[in-house]
Amino acid sequence: EVQLVESGGVLVQPGGSLRLSCEASEFTFSRHSMNWVRQAPGKGLEWVSYIGSNPSAIYYADSVKGRFIISRDNTKNSLYLQMNSLRVEDTAVYYCARTGDFDFWGQGTLVTVSS
Amino acid sequence: QSVLTQPPSASGTPGQRVTISCSGSTSNIGSNFVCWFQQLPGTAPKLLIYKNDQRPSGVPDRFSGSKSGSSASLAISGLRSEDEADYYCAAWDDNLRGYVFGTGTKVTVL
Repeated sequence: EVQLVESGGVLVQPGGSLRLSCEASEFTFSRHSMNWVRQAPGKGLEWVSYIGSNPSAIYYADSVKGRFIISRDNTKNSLYLQMNSLRVEDTAVYYCARTGDFDFWGQGTLVTVSS
Repeated sequence: QSVLTQPPSASGTPGQRVTISCSGSTSNIGSNFVCWFQQLPGTAPKLLIYKNDQRPSGVPDRFSGSKSGSSASLAISGLRSEDEADYYCAAWDDNLRGYVFGTGTKVTVL
């Protein structure tokens, strides 16, 4: 069974930085595109970023463009999200999800941005 | 921001059929595939429908998807208590060059 496990979510002050990780297993990670999706407390889903199977294709939501960087290490079966200049409104559970169909999701990791 | 509009709520009694709409535009639903997700309370979303009307293995055939023009729909037939959840649509948007999710619909089984 495909597994995606996110980690790295913590409490951070506004303006701070954080790197989230998503470790993949039970599938050939290098062959699949990946996404980050977030959900603020009590709110709906918001797509954050996409990276292709080879990292040449990368896209960001306007709300994070210029502040967040998505990357992947196919040798480690891992997806990353470097989050800089964090704002209170970035507070959310962050999920990694496989492919453009979002066919498998991790359990999520909570990022809280507060002073 | 959500550019796909869904009704905030829908309800039905056990056994009934419930339909959820997802309204977009020519740049998203009108020209790309639609996915649907179910999110049970306190859990991660789960893919229900991909490529407009395809069900992943393990998803009951009570769930069905359709698309017409710039709108899509999810139908749940034979409604069950375990179907109480939030449901979201999503599609790629050519103008935004990113994915967009719907506003979400809370389904209640009366």
